[in-house]
Amino acid sequence: QKEVEQNSGPLSVPEGAIASLNCTYSDRVSQSFFWYRQYSGKSPELIMSIYSNGDKEDGRFTAQLNKASQYVSLLIRDSQPSDSATYLCAVNMFTDKLIFGTGTRLQVFP
Amino acid sequence: GAGVSQSPSNKVTEKGKDVELRCDPISGHTALYWYRQRLGQGLEFLIYFQGNSAPDKSGLPSDRFSAERTGESVSTLTIQRTQQEDSAVYLCASSLMGQGNTGELFFGEGSRLTVL
Repeated sequence: QKEVEQNSGPLSVPEGAIASLNCTYSDRVSQSFFWYRQYSGKSPELIMSIYSNGDKEDGRFTAQLNKASQYVSLLIRDSQPSDSATYLCAVNMFTDKLIFGTGTRLQVFP
Repeated sequence: GAGVSQSPSNKVTEKGKDVELRCDPISGHTALYWYRQRLGQGLEFLIYFQGNSAPDKSGLPSDRFSAERTGESVSTLTIQRTQQEDSAVYLCASSLMGQGNTGELFFGEGSRLTVL
């Protein structure tokens, strides 16, 4: 079992729709969870962090965490073509290393 | 500049040669990470430093890979006897936090390594 798993996609949504990205992780003691966005040919950049069960909202982005189910998700409301990128889920592991999933490629079409 | 700086940005080498990749983190950032990203793939954890110590080296693919950090600043990733499968973008990131409370990682632009 991979430490952090994501569906590779692509996930295609029309402009204005809600994009839902999912991630599962294997280490029950993980405490810190992150979503990074990576545009093609660029380095990843942090868009959301979440540490407690429940929802965390920041503008059009909402991160959801369920530690019992070892599940993290990212919702993007009112998706824009500029949101088209690869979204990487990252989880802090027991030894403090930050492990990334393989990423989900999101395509938002006009 | 205030960001993470990596050099070289591009490196083409012949199979069997050694290469050194350098990372200058953001000043004051205690944690430093190295990742490898092959074309079209995700980020593969290699090693991370807290200060000058490397608590977790489990991601280094083989004994041809080594890394060090000095002065709680610059880090060098060395690949000996390079192989074609080492071709990838090597990303360095730094963070202000660590010790069980990983904060936001700031990434450099990466060093693209091509082994012929």
